[in-house]
Amino acid sequence: GAVVSQHPSWVICKSGTSVKIECRSLDFQATTMFWYRQFPKQSLMLMATSNEGSKATYEQGVEKDKFLINHASLTLSTLTVTSAHPEDSSFYICSARDLGVNTEAFFGQGTRLTVV
Amino acid sequence: GNSVTQMEGPVTLSEEAFLTINCTYTATGYPSLFWYVQYPGEGLQLLLKATKADDKGSNKGFEATYRKETTSFHLEKGSVQVSDSAVYFCALSTNSGNTPLVFGKGTRLSVIA
Repeated sequence: GAVVSQHPSWVICKSGTSVKIECRSLDFQATTMFWYRQFPKQSLMLMATSNEGSKATYEQGVEKDKFLINHASLTLSTLTVTSAHPEDSSFYICSARDLGVNTEAFFGQGTRLTVV
Repeated sequence: GNSVTQMEGPVTLSEEAFLTINCTYTATGYPSLFWYVQYPGEGLQLLLKATKADDKGSNKGFEATYRKETTSFHLEKGSVQVSDSAVYFCALSTNSGNTPLVFGKGTRLSVIA
């Protein structure tokens, strides 16, 4: 099946710094990618839909200035957590779907962010 | 709107026990249905899928049948192993690849030896 690669798998940063997470589709072109956040023992929370060459669409309650999303090519989307604080510590997962109706989604390995 | 409801966990079973995780959905149109599995510290992996009514998806001993009449897609396995311990998500899609899947809240399964 298709592969989505996410990097880094874990990162520790200091409060106030920014962290960039990359999500790549390795063997297909993803005009759209999705970013999720997952708290411990909880379900996935969709943060935003990332569209190649245009602005991301954020879900209600997600701060677009804190979670910057860039989708500059058909195979790469990035999520930057700006001015990170401890409450931003979480597991972030990206996802992409191949073109076509009712196709499954492919997920990255996830990034564990810890802000200290 | 579209939604997925799956049984609350956690579910704890002994090895070789029978597993059922219930999933029901509400959707417009004709959705495709999916089960994903998430092992600790990892992303989600597709476990199985079904794209039309009466289809049965199967993989690694897991099965689920798309039941349109009951709007259900229950996950079953005849004999679970410790290595099946994970979180299982039911999901649906009614649209093309530029929309996200709709997920249930997940069910945590723990299998003890």
